[in-house]
Amino acid sequence: GQNIDQPTEMTATEGAIVQINCTYQTSGFNGLFWYQQHAGEAPTFLSYNVLDGLEEKGRFSSFLSRSKGYSYLLLKELQMKDSASYLCAEMDSNYQLIWGAGTKLIIKP
Amino acid sequence: EAQVTQNPRYLITVTGKKLTVTCSQNMNHEYMSWYRQDPGLGLRQIYYSMNVEVTDKGDVPEGYKVSRKEKRNFPLILESPSPNQTSLYFCASSYPPGQGADTQYFGPGTRLTVL
Repeated sequence: GQNIDQPTEMTATEGAIVQINCTYQTSGFNGLFWYQQHAGEAPTFLSYNVLDGLEEKGRFSSFLSRSKGYSYLLLKELQMKDSASYLCAEMDSNYQLIWGAGTKLIIKP
Repeated sequence: EAQVTQNPRYLITVTGKKLTVTCSQNMNHEYMSWYRQDPGLGLRQIYYSMNVEVTDKGDVPEGYKVSRKEKRNFPLILESPSPNQTSLYFCASSYPPGQGADTQYFGPGTRLTVL
């Protein structure tokens, strides 16, 4: 199958840390992407992982475990502007992107 | 400024009236793609193009057509729109997938309503 699973919605507090998980099930794998999408706007690129491990980019980090079909996006020092949907997408063996439905992150003061 | 543009941004039409949504990119990208986004379903790929005159079906191609006569343009055509094509549409472009520069750049979206 080509299922991408991520939580529908999460809530966190300003200044805190939140981890958004993503699991995928495909026979071929060519990388895992995370995109941010504010309501009514286009998705924008956050990260790309193709090897196992943690990639850190400022307040945002992304982790991949290929053997477990698992990734997470870690957001630190949350700000109100981080309220958005976070989309996980897996690039399959044909180099096509399979998208999850997205996780809506709500930040409370 | 590097960008992907789409027109129109909003469109309300009636069943059966042919329409075209244009997409243009100025980054010299070979790869272009059309998606639709519906609540709870995430992005679903309609068609994609690896280069000029090369197009392929994505996951949900029924009811849509595309063409790629020039590298920068990738219009989406609905020959006979139906209400189930009411959706938010995104065009995206990138360098060829799998060549190490896989970031997709998205247009601003076209919100289509078919009555």
